[in-house]
Amino acid sequence: DAMVIQNPRYQVTQFGKPVTLSCSQTLNHNVMYWYQQKSSQAPKLLFHYYDKDFNNEADTPDNFQSRRPNTSFCFLDIRSPGLGDAAMYLCATSEQQETQYFGPGTRLLVL
Amino acid sequence: GESVGLHLPTLSVQEGDNSIINCAYSNSASDYFIWYKQESGKGPQFIIDIRSNMDKRQGQRVTVLLNKTVKHLSLQIAATQPGDSAVYFCAENIEGGKLIFGQGTELSVKP
Repeated sequence: DAMVIQNPRYQVTQFGKPVTLSCSQTLNHNVMYWYQQKSSQAPKLLFHYYDKDFNNEADTPDNFQSRRPNTSFCFLDIRSPGLGDAAMYLCATSEQQETQYFGPGTRLLVL
Repeated sequence: GESVGLHLPTLSVQEGDNSIINCAYSNSASDYFIWYKQESGKGPQFIIDIRSNMDKRQGQRVTVLLNKTVKHLSLQIAATQPGDSAVYFCAENIEGGKLIFGQGTELSVKP
């Protein structure tokens, strides 16, 4: 049974057109993370929510935003996608600072 | 800056042989390490973890060794199977629950 769910699995958007990726979890974990992963690279943390507290990484572009309306859901908003934003976007969850569990990812293609 | 890195970017083994994937870390204060397996087009999958008060931990066909003296971590896979083919990441769980990933090692299993 899927515990961290990401939709859609594949997303195609146009240059500059806002896009939203979603993540949901059935683990009831209090921490949710968003990572960007480009080909042949390790995942790079964009930001995370510790409960309702938003924590942005210093080098995350302003173009990336996030929302967490409740414990189960978290969204990644890309306000104006550029060609360089094409990547796999991974959502992960953890209970407190323990092991992170990842979803299957959403592959974003920017045309 | 602090980082976690891998010695070998690619590893090719014969089916049935044992595999060893290595990782070096630089944050001597880190006390929790995780190995993830990532198959093509999927999210990282938790394999095994180890805390700094242990030198060795075993799972099903996998063993993680931690050498704090030289800040080295390894993942051993016994009787490697074609289904083990993937990219393996070591990750260091630092303060605040953030993960610092190594660069990844691609394991290829030859039948």
